[in-house]
Amino acid sequence: GAGVSQSPRYKVAKRGQDVALRCDPISGHVSLFWYQQALGQGPEFLTYFQNEAQLDKSGLPSDRFFAERPEGSVSTLKIQRTQQEDSAVYLCASSPVLIVAYNEQFFGPGTRLTVL
Amino acid sequence: AQSVTQLGSHVSVSEGALVLLRCNYSSSVPPYLFWYVQYPNQGLQLLLKYTSAATLVKGINGFEAEFKKSETSFHLTKPSAHMSDAAEYFCAVSPEYGNKLVFGAGTILRVKS
Repeated sequence: GAGVSQSPRYKVAKRGQDVALRCDPISGHVSLFWYQQALGQGPEFLTYFQNEAQLDKSGLPSDRFFAERPEGSVSTLKIQRTQQEDSAVYLCASSPVLIVAYNEQFFGPGTRLTVL
Repeated sequence: AQSVTQLGSHVSVSEGALVLLRCNYSSSVPPYLFWYVQYPNQGLQLLLKYTSAATLVKGINGFEAEFKKSETSFHLTKPSAHMSDAAEYFCAVSPEYGNKLVFGAGTILRVKS
């Protein structure tokens, strides 16, 4: 079956541009996560959705970052006025359960964002 | 706040040798612990997880890990390395009622022929 897909796989943006990154979770998965992975680092939590509700956005680094999941399936991470420090791989993960805790998160291949 | 420390950003072993990747966590209560593997251009894949059912956890591809509360460790091992094991490995922790993973910085495993 299809896994988590993300698009685009690679994005180059000039500093100051807005970007939108898309995540298609596994069909039926109610929980969706976004993580940011800087070069040489482990993924860091950005935000979490349960269906269409954004329950935790404590990891978003600034108000330039915005995420949505309006119909409880596809999610978009938007970064406004990109800065060089936003350069990273953005990972999306989904889970079929509401309380994820000890359950597996299924990860997409990521979008590599480079801000020049 | 929970954190994970992976000792050694790069580990190199010969094919057929023991693989040992180290992970220590900090948590006030026993957490849930995970090992994920990342192959180039692929998403993170779950190797194994500790959920308090058993301290020795067996995962896919011959990997296993032992939860040691007294040492706050969850090291990953494999008796005999294979070339296909070359990848980056991440240890992660999840709080008991949490919904996010906290990852270590990762360890790149190189397998020499």
